[in-house]
Amino acid sequence: KAGVTQTPRYLIKTRGQQVTLSCSPISGHRSVSWYQQTPGQGLQFLFEYFSETQRNKGNFPGRFSGRQFSNSRSEMNVSTLELGDSALYLCASSTGTTNTGELFFGEGSRLTVL
Amino acid sequence: GNSVTQMEGPVTLSEEAFLTINCTYTATGYPSLFWYVQYPGEGLQLLLKATKADDKGSNKGFEATYRKETTSFHLEKGSVQVSDSAVYFCALTPLGKGSQGNLIFGKGTKLSVKP
Repeated sequence: KAGVTQTPRYLIKTRGQQVTLSCSPISGHRSVSWYQQTPGQGLQFLFEYFSETQRNKGNFPGRFSGRQFSNSRSEMNVSTLELGDSALYLCASSTGTTNTGELFFGEGSRLTVL
Repeated sequence: GNSVTQMEGPVTLSEEAFLTINCTYTATGYPSLFWYVQYPGEGLQLLLKATKADDKGSNKGFEATYRKETTSFHLEKGSVQVSDSAVYFCALTPLGKGSQGNLIFGKGTKLSVKP
């Protein structure tokens, strides 16, 4: 069974640009969550999508957005990039039907903002 | 609010040493508690979990017991191996609406095991 796949794995952007990251969940999983991981703040929850609807949202500015498609694949977008957006962005999937807390993570997309 | 505090690393041990990584939490009610592990270059994976007070989660020789009275969920292993070198995260899932997919993580503890 294929795991959670994130693309691209690495990318470099400059301030003011925007970026789109992609996540393909485990087959059959309908929930996709996104996290930002930085050395200073650790792992922080961005948002969660289930059946193409944002179900939960963390405390991030509106520059961070996402969406989910009918095949459960998800994308997140960060607009007007700032230096502080440099981070590892992790996607996690789950069935989404019961809140067991068991998430399956991808390897992440490492974003560097110059 | 909900929060997780775990001991700062890095922790360096010799092979076959005993491991303890402390984790305490603050939460409303009785959340489920987790330990996730991140091996170098990989995503996080669930190591073990406990869903109610006095539950003991265990996996791959690691154990943690949900202690309501001390709001703790310390990770232990009797004899570590070089292959256990990784970053360990304690986490909880908030209760109620808004909790799906939302785990509250500690800052992580990096463990290095030397042969």
